[in-house]
Amino acid sequence: DADVTQTPRNRITKTGKRIMLECSQTKGHDRMYWYRQDPGLGLRLIYYSFDVKDINKGEISDGYSVSRQAQAKFSLSLESAIPNQTALYFCATSDLGYEQYFGPGTRLTVT
Amino acid sequence: RKEVEQDPGPFNVPEGATVAFNCTYSNSASQSFFWYRQDCRKEPKLLMSVYSSGNEDGRFTAQLNRASQYISLLIRDSKLSDSATYLCVVNKLPGSARQLTFGSGTQLTVLP
Repeated sequence: DADVTQTPRNRITKTGKRIMLECSQTKGHDRMYWYRQDPGLGLRLIYYSFDVKDINKGEISDGYSVSRQAQAKFSLSLESAIPNQTALYFCATSDLGYEQYFGPGTRLTVT
Repeated sequence: RKEVEQDPGPFNVPEGATVAFNCTYSNSASQSFFWYRQDCRKEPKLLMSVYSSGNEDGRFTAQLNRASQYISLLIRDSKLSDSATYLCVVNKLPGSARQLTFGSGTQLTVLP
């Protein structure tokens, strides 16, 4: 079984809808991250969390919110989706080291 | 200027060729450097860390030039399975694992 899982894997939604992307991990890591990836722009950090009580904004947090429900779960919400939020979203985890372990990604399309 | 810049490619090379990718970073205080590999439509995975003295892992060699703020990855004897996008990654805050800055990647296709 995968150590980092994301649901859903693909989602098409309409402008204005609320969307939640979920991430779960079995690696026992305290640190979790949400990134989005767009062609030509690389991975950009949306939010990160170092433990259940710690939530931090990344470089592109506007329009997004997160919830760290447990050590193993970190959800990303788009309160009112817009077309420029169409992207590939990755969840990642890490321990105290530098290596980050990524989930398989969620491909989100906002029409 | 982008924090991490890479030549996007694509690099198309025959099997067995040697290919090198370069990357520059803007923050002279950066301390940690990595190469990640991302297969098409898959998640990125750590390929190797980059150490000041340079390091090798099989057919892969990574080099760091702090004076020029430049990182390189050399792949020898390319295999078809090396086809992927290679991401140059730099620790955003020196001495901390809080954030990583990812380059946009260099695409490599190894041709039979």
